[in-house]
Amino acid sequence: AQSVTQLDSHVSVSEGTPVLLRCNYSSSYSPSLFWYVQHPNKGLQLLLKYTSAATLVKGINGFEAEFKKSETSFHLTKPSAHMSDAAEYFCVVSVNDMRFGAGTRLTVKP
Amino acid sequence: GAGVSQSPSNKVTEKGKDVELRCDPISGHTALYWYRQRLGQGLEFLIYFQGNSAPDKSGLPSDRFSAERTGESVSTLTIQRTQQEDSAVYLCASSLALGSPNYGYTFGSGTRLTVV
Repeated sequence: AQSVTQLDSHVSVSEGTPVLLRCNYSSSYSPSLFWYVQHPNKGLQLLLKYTSAATLVKGINGFEAEFKKSETSFHLTKPSAHMSDAAEYFCVVSVNDMRFGAGTRLTVKP
Repeated sequence: GAGVSQSPSNKVTEKGKDVELRCDPISGHTALYWYRQRLGQGLEFLIYFQGNSAPDKSGLPSDRFSAERTGESVSTLTIQRTQQEDSAVYLCASSLALGSPNYGYTFGSGTRLTVV
């Protein structure tokens, strides 16, 4: 069985400052890991995915995540937040199916 | 089709009625997944299909929920005797094969179910 824990339900940053959204996972097998973003009243959009290749994964809109097996983590980062980054972010662990974290709401202040 | 299609996009039903939600996956995608997202919450995994087989039904919230899939095509999620707590967006996703994240998962736009 696999599961994922997003450590913060809400993160607030100022525009232009770094973003860190934390995710820890649990899996009996080597998992694939994803980050999805959901803007208000919009569908899910894939930001990036880790599938056992490079541990540092670059995604869209300047986001990246680093897979750390020793820490069972897959934290999402971005060097400089933009107002348009305000959304709900979901960390996902996948072996056969996809298990979503509870989500982290990112607020970006002007 | 070009994407995962779900219908209806919105459904309002009276408490106690049955509803059927439909998901039409991308052509050729053998794996199909159902999720539920309550207002302000994350995605709750319900069930997945590999072909028309659903090996694990433990994610379904109660025996009022059932799902089936015809071959490697359309899937229907049925909720019997709906309750107000069933109100949520029901999302469907498909992928080329089970456990093949390299192929990507594509989500439909969801069915917003409101039980009044």
